Formats: sequence, C-alpha cells, structure tokens
Amino acid sequence: GQNIDQPTEMTATEGAIVQINCTYQTSGFNGLFWYQQHAGEAPTFLSYNVLDGLEEKGRFSSFLSRSKGYSYLLLKELQMKDSASYLCAVPLSDSWGKLQFGAGTQVVVTP
Amino acid sequence: GAGVSQSPSNKVTEKGKDVELRCDPISGHTALYWYRQSLGQGLEFLIYFQGNSAPDKSGLPSDRFSAERTGGSVSTLTIQRTQQEDSAVYLCASSPKGQGYNEQFFGPGTRLTVL
Repeated sequence: GQNIDQPTEMTATEGAIVQINCTYQTSGFNGLFWYQQHAGEAPTFLSYNVLDGLEEKGRFSSFLSRSKGYSYLLLKELQMKDSASYLCAVPLSDSWGKLQFGAGTQVVVTP
Repeated sequence: GAGVSQSPSNKVTEKGKDVELRCDPISGHTALYWYRQSLGQGLEFLIYFQGNSAPDKSGLPSDRFSAERTGGSVSTLTIQRTQQEDSAVYLCASSPKGQGYNEQFFGPGTRLTVL
C-alpha cells in the first residue's frame, strides 16, 4: 500500500498564495491526483500528474517529483470559495482504479 | 447531465440492524467505486467494479460488508449487523473506464449513523 502525508490545516488570506505539500511512499507509481472537497459535499477532481514537473490550470497548479515521492498543489489569488479540504491520492499499486487518499488538508481563507 | 446519485442521503440505524446504500453512477460509466470517510479521515477504498469483471473486494473491512452491481449500472452496498464503528459517510464514484488515468466522479454520499 501507500503512505500519504499532508498537513492537517493551513490558513491564508484572500488574494494570497498557499502551497499544500503531499509526500507518499509507494511500491509502484501510476500518477498522483488532487481533489477538492467542500464541507458536506463530494470530492471533485482538480489535477493529475504522472510525469515530473508542474501542471498549471488557471489559479491552481500541481507539481510532482517522482524521485522524491513529493507533490504540491499551489493555489494562487486565493478566494473565499477556495476554503475546502484538499485531498492528495495515488492509485494503489495493483490497480489503477483504487485510489489511496491522504487525510486531506483543510485550507481556511480569511478576509 | 446527471451526476452520480446516492440514496439515502442520511441513514440512522440501531446497532445490529442491516442497512442498504444505493448508488446510481453516471450513465455509460463502466467503473464504479465505493469509499467511506470517517470524521476527520481520508477516504478509505472499499470495493471496485469494472465492467463485467469480478469486483475487487480487497478494501472491505469485514464479511459484514458486501456489494453488488446489477446490470452494470446501479450498485448496492450492504452492511449487516451494523456496529458503531461503521458510522461514516459512504461515497460512491464512477468513471468512464477503470484502466489508465481516469477521473472519478463522486456522488454526494450517504451519512450513516449507527446508534
């Protein structure tokens, strides 16, 4: 299986930048996903990385380093609606379909 | 279009009772997944259906848990003789295919409370 670690909570002000780190240990690697989950709602897909480097999607970017077992999600120009839990996930080594999720990082955006 | 739907949205039951949770995936999606999320915890994989293949049940925590998927569409997760530690949000997801990169689309979940 995988061990996935991410910080429990981060606080930042509106308009600022926040970087959410995720480290993982895995016997096989098929990519890394980031999901966003607002309180009481279903997780929604944000990004997928399988190669090293930075993937940019508007205000959100995701970075991967396979050699270091490390990823981060970068949220720029924070908005109040970005207050949510951000989940890092990797497919379990024996199957693409089964995702192992981290416990999530609760981001609190303050005015 | 319609997303993944789950019913009921909330279920309160007494310890020892059986419960059934339902998931309607997005039409045409061949892969269906069940996860559960306990308070303050990440999502825990339970079971995975891909097309007509035998389901991957490796995440089911005990033999009290079972799931079926009829006609390659609707799925039911059954928990027998519920225990208080079964209290959690049970999330269903579907994707167009199970192999290779694919985005999983999640339903709103069923919040199960076992008294």
